[in-house]
Parts: sequence; structure tokens; C-alpha cells
Amino acid sequence: DQQVKQNSPSLSVQEGRISILNCDYTNSMFDYFLWYKKYPAEGPTFLISISSIKDKNEDGRFTVFLNKSAKHLSLHIVPSQPGDSAVYFCAASLTGTASKLTFGTGTRLQVTL
Amino acid sequence: EAQVTQNPRYLITVTGKKLTVTCSQNMNHEYMSWYRQDPGLGLRQIYYSMNVEVTDKGDVPEGYKVSRKEKRNFPLILESPSPNQTSLYFCASSGLAGRQETQYFGPGTRLLVL
Repeated sequence: DQQVKQNSPSLSVQEGRISILNCDYTNSMFDYFLWYKKYPAEGPTFLISISSIKDKNEDGRFTVFLNKSAKHLSLHIVPSQPGDSAVYFCAASLTGTASKLTFGTGTRLQVTL
Repeated sequence: EAQVTQNPRYLITVTGKKLTVTCSQNMNHEYMSWYRQDPGLGLRQIYYSMNVEVTDKGDVPEGYKVSRKEKRNFPLILESPSPNQTSLYFCASSGLAGRQETQYFGPGTRLLVL
């Protein structure tokens, strides 16, 4: 059973516009969430994270929003750039086992010129 | 340079021939983990280790073994590989096991089992 879901396998956005990637989870015990970015032939790299005590975390062009009541988080990229084209994975973690991550299935973002 | 290395990067083998994929990190991290990535399934954890000589099963451990005799190394062993283990494998590490730390991933090992 997939506890972390990314229902959009792919997303295409024009350069300069906002990219919104969504992630839903089913386990209400998850309390720490992360986004990873993956280019072809490379391992995933950490992008941004958020603790469940917050509803928003911002880092430059990247903002993650958390809606605990809806068990939903989203990643906003503004403005989108061609170099943002990659696969994005959301991941969730439980208290005390923050290193044991449960990943979503990934969303492939393509930023077009 | 802080990094997680994996070897080999690509491997083609036949059913039943034992193989080992090595993983090493130079960041003195306590926590290490193995994942496999399959289309439509994302990254799934195979095994993890909280420290030397401490390992535990992840979500898909069947057909795999691991060992953690040194802090920096965490090899993945397939005693008798089968075609359903054809996948892209990633090793990862993080510091301060049990704390909220991000994981650093290796470049991946693409395995084909014929």
C-alpha cells in the first residue's frame, strides 16, 4: 500500500511560470517531509524539507506547503527554469526514525522555453 | 569532497550468480540505507543500518542481504539474483541516526539480471 502518493507522473510548465508539484500521504504519524530532485544517471539530491509543526518553508525559488488536515504537501517553484527539469520525489518520515524515509512515486517536471 | 560512492555503476548478470554491490561514504555518517527504484513504484527501501553491526529490514528485503562491519561501508549482497531484481539501486547515508537529517544518495547502480 502506497503511503506517499504523487498522482501526477508528469508536469510541463513554461519557463518563468510557477510549477506546483503535489504529494499526498495516508499515515498521520508522518511528521517530517522532504523533497528530492533527481536528474538522469544521478542519485536524488535533497531540495527542501518541512517539519509538521510548520505549514510553510521557503528556500529561494522553492517553497513547500504542508496541510496536515488534508495530509497534503506541495512544492512550488517560482519562477521555473529549464534547469529545474527533473524528477521530483516527495518523502515522509516518522518521529525517531527520521532516517527511514518513505518515498512517493515521483513527478517528472519539464520546463519548456 | 563529501560523497557516497557505489560500485559497479552498471552490471549485467545471470540468474543465480551471486553478486555484491559496494557502497561507501566519507562523511562519518551513522545511518546507511539501500533503495531500489522501479518505474511507477518510486524508491523503496531494501535494508538500512543505524550503525556498525546494526541492520534492519526495509520494505522490500526479500532476496537481499547486507552487512555493516565498518562505519563507512554498507555492501548489498544478492545471493541468488533473479530477473525481478533487475532495477536501479541507490545507497544513501545520513548523520545522527534517529534525528531529522537529510539523506545523501550515491549515483546509482543499474542491474540487469538475465
